[in-house]
Amino acid sequence: DAGVIQSPRHEVTEMGQEVTLRCKPISGHDYLFWYRQTMMRGLELLIYFNNNVPIDDSGMPEDRFSAKMPNASFSTLKIQPSEPRDSAVYFCASTGPPLNTEAFFGQGTRLTVV
Amino acid sequence: GDSVTQMEGPVTLSEEAFLTINCTYTATGYPSLFWYVQYPGEGLQLLLKATKADDKGSNKGFEATYRKETTSFHLEKGSVQVSDSAVYFCALISSSNTGKLIFGQGTTLQVKP
Repeated sequence: DAGVIQSPRHEVTEMGQEVTLRCKPISGHDYLFWYRQTMMRGLELLIYFNNNVPIDDSGMPEDRFSAKMPNASFSTLKIQPSEPRDSAVYFCASTGPPLNTEAFFGQGTRLTVV
Repeated sequence: GDSVTQMEGPVTLSEEAFLTINCTYTATGYPSLFWYVQYPGEGLQLLLKATKADDKGSNKGFEATYRKETTSFHLEKGSVQVSDSAVYFCALISSSNTGKLIFGQGTTLQVKP
C-alpha cells in the first residue's frame, strides 16, 4: 500500500475562494482523521470518521468547514469561503482495526490563503 | 474530556546528552498511549506505544513507560543524536472505544553537534 495519500501538497488561494482537500486512506483502515497544524495552536483534531460515518466534528472551527467520506477510500475537507486565518498544514490520518494500532499520516496539504 | 499535556519546548541538547520529554494525560479508563515524531516537511510517524499500565514502549533507543498512578508517559533517550532533531508528540486513544486520537501540543527537540 502506498500509505495515506493527500492532495494537493500545496495550495495557494485567494480569500473567499472555495478550497477542497483530498485524502485516500490506507485500504482496510476503518478510522479516518483530519487534523490542522499551526505554530500557534499545534495539532488540532478537526473531525474523524469510523466506517465512513462522522463520529466527532466538535473540532471543526466554523460552518465554513465541512468534511465528507462518501466511501472507504476517499474523504474531502472543504473550506468555503476561505480566510487568511485558515492558512495551515492539514493532515489526514487513518488507522485500525484494532483501535490501538498505529495511525498513519499523509504528507499533509500546506494551505495558504492570501 | 480527554487531554494530553507536554512540556513546552524547544529543547536544545548537545549530542550524546540524555533526553526527557514529559507527558501527562487526563482520560477516563485506560487509554492507549503513543509517541509520534515529525521530521521537517513530513507527516507524523509512530515512534512507540504502550497499551496498558506498566507497559514500556521502546524504539530506536527511545523509551516510555505507561504510569497510571501518575498519569504519565515520559519519553527518554540515553544519548541523543543530531538526527533525532524533530518535533515529538504524545498522544492517546480513549479506552471508551470512541476512537478519538488526541495529541499534545508537541515538543521541538534540537540536537547540536
